[in-house]
Amino acid sequence: EVQLVESGGGLVQPGGSLRLSCAASGFSFSNYVMAWVRQAPGKGLGWVSAISGGSSGTYYVDPVKGRFTISRDNSKNTLYLQMNSLRADDTAVYYCAKGSGSTWPYYFDYWGQGILVTVSS
Amino acid sequence: EIVLTQSPGTLSLSPGERATLSCRASQSISSSNLAWYQQKPGQAPRLLIYGASSRATGIPDRFSGSGSGTDFTLTISRLEPEDFAVYYCQQYGTSRTFGQGTKVEIK
Repeated sequence: EVQLVESGGGLVQPGGSLRLSCAASGFSFSNYVMAWVRQAPGKGLGWVSAISGGSSGTYYVDPVKGRFTISRDNSKNTLYLQMNSLRADDTAVYYCAKGSGSTWPYYFDYWGQGILVTVSS
Repeated sequence: EIVLTQSPGTLSLSPGERATLSCRASQSISSSNLAWYQQKPGQAPRLLIYGASSRATGIPDRFSGSGSGTDFTLTISRLEPEDFAVYYCQQYGTSRTFGQGTKVEIK
């Protein structure tokens, strides 16, 4: 059974940093794209970042470029999102999602339960 | 960037009725790289349809997807109580974008 479990969320002040983690199990982690998708309160889904199975390719949505860094440790079956210079509009539930393949194009066939990040003073 | 526009914003229907949800793209989507997800309150999204018309594992056959190019449709043939939720389309061809969602609510 595929499981994705996020951790590391919480309340942070504007300008602060957080690192999200996603522990994966039930599939061959290194063979799949992994991604972060976020959902602001009461809003729709939005791409944040994605990384290929071997970490050779990464993708970021424009608003987070230069502030967020996606990475993965295939030996630990874990996906990360380092978030720096956080802003109020980064407040959202962040979902870890498994891609359907090792590279583009891919859809998301499994999702974690989500973790809340709140940026506020 | 390809923009996906879903309509209607809200669909008010009764259990047993047919639901037809639309997703229109601002440019043609290559190779029908379009997916549909269902999201219930407080839950993560769940994959329903990929490749515009292929049902994901475990998805009931009352859910069907169709379309190509710029116009895509998700149809729920007969609504069950558990189908009332928000539905998102997503294109995964050129760039990666979601539609704004259609809420299917009980009439």
